[in-house]
Amino acid sequence: DIVMTQSPDSLAVSLGERATINCRSSQSIFYSSNNKNYLAWYQQKPGQPPKLLFYWASTRESGVPDRFSGSGSGTDFTLTISSLQAEDVAVYYCHQYYSTPRAFGQGTKVEIK
Amino acid sequence: EVQLVQSGAEVKKPGESLKISCKASGYTFTNYWIGWVRQMPGKGLEWMGLIYPGDSDTRYGPSFQGQVTFSADKTITTAYLQWSRLKASDTAMYYCARFSLVEGHSAGWVDSWGQGTLVTISS
Repeated sequence: DIVMTQSPDSLAVSLGERATINCRSSQSIFYSSNNKNYLAWYQQKPGQPPKLLFYWASTRESGVPDRFSGSGSGTDFTLTISSLQAEDVAVYYCHQYYSTPRAFGQGTKVEIK
Repeated sequence: EVQLVQSGAEVKKPGESLKISCKASGYTFTNYWIGWVRQMPGKGLEWMGLIYPGDSDTRYGPSFQGQVTFSADKTITTAYLQWSRLKASDTAMYYCARFSLVEGHSAGWVDSWGQGTLVTISS
């Protein structure tokens, strides 16, 4: 089974500063036949279900602000918030859909410093 | 618009049975995988598994195999998550989720979530 590990578990960033979240898979989730990384990112705010931010590691879901970006390939991925806003306080999860079980990372909590 | 509407909160005792539901609308129910995600109090998301209502093909996460049962009723476009004997450790929020299709038939990312069903197991 593929294990997804995020780092850090939590981070506090000043408003307007950059926040970077890492996600590592225990084996490659890059499928060479279609040149795609089978990774998604979600944002979950308290009391709400998660919300999709990215799929294919870097394809932004419609309506997601462009201060959010996704990058990486193979086993190492990054979610970046270029200029943290108050409404970005949430827990962020990566999720691989390369193989079953389609595991989530443990989550990274983003707070305001 | 895709909508997943889950049944209401439940309070049960250990050893009891339970079946919660997820009513889907806004898309062809039989053409997409629908699955379940557990979130224990204060914890992260856990992929429980999924079912393809078109042919009832079912996949379970290793921690959930034998512990829960997924089913789907195509006639009323509703998916179900069922326990035969609840434990205190089943206390959690349960989300149903529609998975996108990748490579034709494989389940991809979650593109729609239900609002969640809170299940509390207490003696």
